[in-house]
Amino acid sequence: RKEVEQDPGPFNVPEGATVAFNCTYSNSASQSFFWYRQDCRKEPKLLMSVYSSGNEDGRFTAQLNRASQYISLLIRDSKLSDSATYLCVVNNNQGGKLIFGQGTELSVKP
Amino acid sequence: NAGVTQTPKFRVLKTGQSMTLLCAQDMNHEYMYWYRQDPGMGLRLIHYSVGEGTTAKGEVPDGYNVSRLKKQNFLLGLESAAPSQTSVYFCASSAIRGVADTQYFGPGTRLTVL
Repeated sequence: RKEVEQDPGPFNVPEGATVAFNCTYSNSASQSFFWYRQDCRKEPKLLMSVYSSGNEDGRFTAQLNRASQYISLLIRDSKLSDSATYLCVVNNNQGGKLIFGQGTELSVKP
Repeated sequence: NAGVTQTPKFRVLKTGQSMTLLCAQDMNHEYMYWYRQDPGMGLRLIHYSVGEGTTAKGEVPDGYNVSRLKKQNFLLGLESAAPSQTSVYFCASSAIRGVADTQYFGPGTRLTVL
């Protein structure tokens, strides 16, 4: 079983739609969680950290459920510019190493 | 402020050839990392460094060596390239150790081994 698993998609949605990505992790000792965004053929960039209380940044909302070892990302009012691959990332506090999911591809259409 | 830079951006090698990928960061970060990204596999850690002069193995270290002689540079070497090493290689860095520290990535090196 992979340490971090995501639905690879692709998710094809119209502009304005709400889309949710899910992610599960296997190590219950994991301590911090992130969503990164990766545009085609570019480097990953931090989108947002994920906190136990849930957190929101504009149209983006991230949730963490430690009991179920589950992380989610909700994007409201999708824009064309949201088209990218979204990476679920977990830090197990082992030398600062990050464990990446394989990514979920999102394509927002006009 | 360039952040994290990588050279070269593209390279084609023949099986058995050697090469070195250079990563440089100007953010005075302690931690540096080398990843490879393959379709459907996500990013996998090759080697990492927690400070100048130190290196450690990641998830997929075989066939690679690294050196961190200067704090700002992290070199990844392929001694005898194999087609299985065809991939996109990303370097990253992060500040003094913290569980929630952000990693900043370079633009990547696209390597093809024929």
